[in-house]
Amino acid sequence: EVQLVQSGAEVKKPGESLKISCKGSGYSFTSYWIGWVRQMPGKGLEWMGIIYPGDSDTRYSPSFQGQVTISADKSISTAYLQWSSLKASDTAMYYCARRLGATKYYFDYWGQGTLVTVSS
Amino acid sequence: EIVLTQSPATLSLSPGERATLSCRASQSVSSYLAWYQQKPGQAPRLLIYDASNRATGIPARFSGSGSGTDFTLTISSLEPEDFAVYYCQQRSNWPPKYTFGQGTKLEIK
Repeated sequence: EVQLVQSGAEVKKPGESLKISCKGSGYSFTSYWIGWVRQMPGKGLEWMGIIYPGDSDTRYSPSFQGQVTISADKSISTAYLQWSSLKASDTAMYYCARRLGATKYYFDYWGQGTLVTVSS
Repeated sequence: EIVLTQSPATLSLSPGERATLSCRASQSVSSYLAWYQQKPGQAPRLLIYDASNRATGIPARFSGSGSGTDFTLTISSLEPEDFAVYYCQQRSNWPPKYTFGQGTKLEIK
């Protein structure tokens, strides 16, 4: 069974750093792109970026380029999303999701989400 | 940059009725469009990809149609568990970006 299991909720202060994780299982982790999607409270879905764990090829949405870093450790089948200096506006639910296939640009399996709250 | 516009923003229907949700792209996306369902407190779930292909395990009452700029998600007979928010999504080649529509909330009338 394909599963993406994300790390738990975080409460941080503005200016702090954070790294959240997404562990894949039940499939070949290195063969599928993993994307990250933000959902701010009461709002829609925003694509942040995507990584291919096989070679760490990474693409970012222009809206998030320079704001976050996406990485992966294929030895432990885990993808990461990190911030060096959080802002209150980073408060949101963050989802990781597996891309359906090499030529299918859709997300077929999703993590349960990690809620990040940034407040002083 | 391709923009996806969903309509209506909210759709109020009763169980057993037929639901028709629309997604319009600002330029042609061929058939490269997906639909997702999101229930409160849950992650999105892929329903339809490539405009008309049902994802694994999705009931036959869900169907997708369209190509180019106009797409439709149809739920033939609403079940209580279908009341949720629905998003369309596409991926553009340049700039390489995955874009979601703003969502349609399907609520019980």
